[in-house]
Amino acid sequence: DGGITQSPKYLFRKEGQNVTLSCEQNLNHDAMYWYRQDPGQGLRLIYYSQIVNDFQKGDIAEGYSVSREKKESFPLTVTSAQKNPTAFYLCASTRTARLNTGELFFGEGSRLTVL
Amino acid sequence: DAKTTQPPSMDCAEGRAANLPCNHSTISGNEYVYWYRQIHSQGPQYIIHGLKNNETNEMASLIITEDRKSSTLILPHATLRDTAVYYCIVMGAGTASKLTFGTGTRLQVTL
Repeated sequence: DGGITQSPKYLFRKEGQNVTLSCEQNLNHDAMYWYRQDPGQGLRLIYYSQIVNDFQKGDIAEGYSVSREKKESFPLTVTSAQKNPTAFYLCASTRTARLNTGELFFGEGSRLTVL
Repeated sequence: DAKTTQPPSMDCAEGRAANLPCNHSTISGNEYVYWYRQIHSQGPQYIIHGLKNNETNEMASLIITEDRKSSTLILPHATLRDTAVYYCIVMGAGTASKLTFGTGTRLQVTL
């Protein structure tokens, strides 16, 4: 079945370490997004990509980096520069072809805990 | 994309209709209204969307005002499994842009 796969589901890291969260989709979607969610909070946009080899900063991009070398993959790296990295991270994608209404599909999330 | 405003929380008795409002006064003509819900620690799930006509599917109904500045999501017979955070967003068709979510409405369905 088509969908979005995020891995790992749970991740622990020590302070000062970089960590990369994987997001893969087999929906042939053009656009992909990374959101961060803190307890009791809404979703905040980190980065988004409209097309391969292109991405833009969202509202809270500091301390994060992304790449979009392949259409189906949009990995997120949480760097040591991110002051409060412990959070729930959600990846989403949407098709942007003309005449499509652009429904967002979400992965199941990755929960990162910094020890 | 237009910004949306929702009440932070609502309660609903099981079996009754849950009516969740959303204001999107700056919506533009080609933007759709989408509703998603998020059950604790899961990815958000699509519920319904509409442009200007009212819409209904197996999960919910969406009522959009004539001026399109607000909408209401209706869960006709709420169950305990409908307890979740409900997000209303507006999104342009055929475009990818900076899609932002607010804090949504936390719906608590009670016995």
